[in-house]
Amino acid sequence: EVQLVASGGGLVQPGRSLRLSCAASGFSFDDYAMHWVRQAPGKGLEWVSGISWNSVNRGYADSVKGRFTISRDNAKNSLYLQMNSLKADDTAFYYCAKDVMRDINFYFDNWGQGILVTVSS
Amino acid sequence: QSVLTQPPSASGTPGQRVTISCSGSSSNIGSNTVNWYQQLPGTAPKFLIYSNNQRPSGVPDRFSGSKSGTSASLAISGLQSEDEAHYYCAAWDDSLNGVVFGGGTKLTVL
Repeated sequence: EVQLVASGGGLVQPGRSLRLSCAASGFSFDDYAMHWVRQAPGKGLEWVSGISWNSVNRGYADSVKGRFTISRDNAKNSLYLQMNSLKADDTAFYYCAKDVMRDINFYFDNWGQGILVTVSS
Repeated sequence: QSVLTQPPSASGTPGQRVTISCSGSSSNIGSNTVNWYQQLPGTAPKFLIYSNNQRPSGVPDRFSGSKSGTSASLAISGLQSEDEAHYYCAAWDDSLNGVVFGGGTKLTVL
């Protein structure tokens, strides 16, 4: 059974940093691209970032480009999102999601439980 | 606002057939396939339809998708109370070089 467990969320002040982690199990992590998708409370889904199986290709939404960095450690079956210069608009539930392809695509066949990041002073 | 446009709400009675539309442009739906996700209240989204009209294993055949030009549709036949959820379309956008979602449609089963 595929499991994606996110951690690292919480309350952070505007302008500060936070690092999210996602621990994967139940599949060959290094065979698939991975993504972060967020959802502001009561709002729709927004793709944040994706990374290919070998970390060569990385993509970002314009809203986070230059502030967020996605990475992965295949030896640890883990996905990360380093979030810098956080803004109130970044407040959302962050989901890690598995792709069905090796390269970045949008076939999110498994999702984690979502973790809340609140940016507020 | 979202790059892909969906109606904010839809409704139907048990047993009915409902459709949800998703409108885009030449840089997304017009040149790439469309996926659909279902989000039940308080849960993570679920992979519902991929490549316009394919169902992942375990998804009932009551759910079907289609695409024409720069628009796509999700149809749900034999509506059931457990279908009450938010539905999101998604596509790759060649201009943005990233994934775009619709704003979501809340389906209410009356």
